[in-house]
Amino acid sequence: QKEVEQDPGPLSVPEGAIVSLNCTYSNSAFQYFMWYRQYSRKGPELLMYTYSSGNKEDGRFTAQVDKSSKYISLFIRDSQPSDSATYLCAMKEGGGYQKVTFGTGTKLQVIP
Amino acid sequence: EPEVTQTPSHQVTQMGQEVILRCVPISNHLYFYWYRQILGQKVEFLVSFYNNEISEKSEIFDDQFSVERPDGSNFTLKIRSTKLEDSAMYFCASTIARNTEAFFGQGTRLTVV
Repeated sequence: QKEVEQDPGPLSVPEGAIVSLNCTYSNSAFQYFMWYRQYSRKGPELLMYTYSSGNKEDGRFTAQVDKSSKYISLFIRDSQPSDSATYLCAMKEGGGYQKVTFGTGTKLQVIP
Repeated sequence: EPEVTQTPSHQVTQMGQEVILRCVPISNHLYFYWYRQILGQKVEFLVSFYNNEISEKSEIFDDQFSVERPDGSNFTLKIRSTKLEDSAMYFCASTIARNTEAFFGQGTRLTVV
């Protein structure tokens, strides 16, 4: 079983739709959860950073973490064509560990 | 807004040659990282660096790789003898503290021919 699983997509939605992106993971030691957006041939851009279970909202973005199910989600409201990118989930153990483990990314296309 | 900068943006090198990839982390950040992304694959952790020493490394980071902070601003990744399979995007990242969010540079695309 892969440590982090993410549906690669592509996911196509019409402009204005609510987008739901998800990841599952197997390592119960993960405590920090992130979502990055990556445009083609660019570096990952941090969108959301959460610790442990719960919800976090920032503008049109909401991140959810359910540690009991080992499942994290990112919701994008009122999606825009500029949201078209690859979305990477990422996670990290606590303590002294620095390694961030990424999912493979979901490619999102928002159609005008 | 502060950002991580990487140079060069694209490097082509012959197999067996040494390459040095350069990064300038965000100025008040203390932890530094290298990741790589082979085309079409996921971003993979290589190494973390704090207080002038490696704090963690992955199995990818073998003896061919080394990192250095030669002065107060630069952070470098050296590949001693490049192989074809080293072709990838290499990303530098930095964090202000141990468990804070990582900010990534735009990457160096390394092509080994």
